[in-house]
Amino acid sequence: SQKIEQNSEALNIQEGKTATLTCNYTNYSPAYLQWYRQDPGRGPVFLLLIRENEKEKRKERLKVTFDTTLKQSLFHITASQPADSATYLCALDIDLTGGGNKLTFGTGTQLKVEL
Amino acid sequence: DGGITQSPKYLFRKEGQNVTLSCEQNLNHDAMYWYRQDPGQGLRLIYYSQIVNDFQKGDIAEGYSVSREKKESFPLTVTSAQKNPTAFYLCASSGQGRSYEQYFGPGTRLTVT
Repeated sequence: SQKIEQNSEALNIQEGKTATLTCNYTNYSPAYLQWYRQDPGRGPVFLLLIRENEKEKRKERLKVTFDTTLKQSLFHITASQPADSATYLCALDIDLTGGGNKLTFGTGTQLKVEL
Repeated sequence: DGGITQSPKYLFRKEGQNVTLSCEQNLNHDAMYWYRQDPGQGLRLIYYSQIVNDFQKGDIAEGYSVSREKKESFPLTVTSAQKNPTAFYLCASSGQGRSYEQYFGPGTRLTVT
């Protein structure tokens, strides 16, 4: 069956360090992979999208890699800040015939950045 | 001020009652989605709609129903047939075409006792 795995345990890091979150998947061949941030009691907010033919994507302090051979994506936050504390969700993107896309989400990894 | 609104933020119902959750968007998006989120689980797709007057079942549609009479609106009804309705419900929308990000509403937390 199809499966998406993210670090189930919370990740605690010190301010200023680089946080690295992992997303592994099996039995999928997604064309795209997306990362979202979710704060408690709120809806997810889109961060980055990476295509299968892209190895790496950057946006400000964020970097995503996508290895379709390993079936893995890594999400990095450099120079982390307490405001980066949240749950980060990866989602595999499957295009739907007729438009739109179907996202299958991982369970998310909770990141806590400490002073 | 564009975005997606969901109402109410919190909703309480007695077991056996149907309840309808509202979702409205002014982003001019064709595609809309309903997800359910439970503690320790990822978002699970309930229903989605790619165009007005059309919708499809997602992964966990049993006990739910939707309608899409207007482009802006995609209400979700949680029926009494849904065995475990207490959850956090999220509505989202996206543009047509490939690889569009989804925009999420603030969510409705439904508690059924």
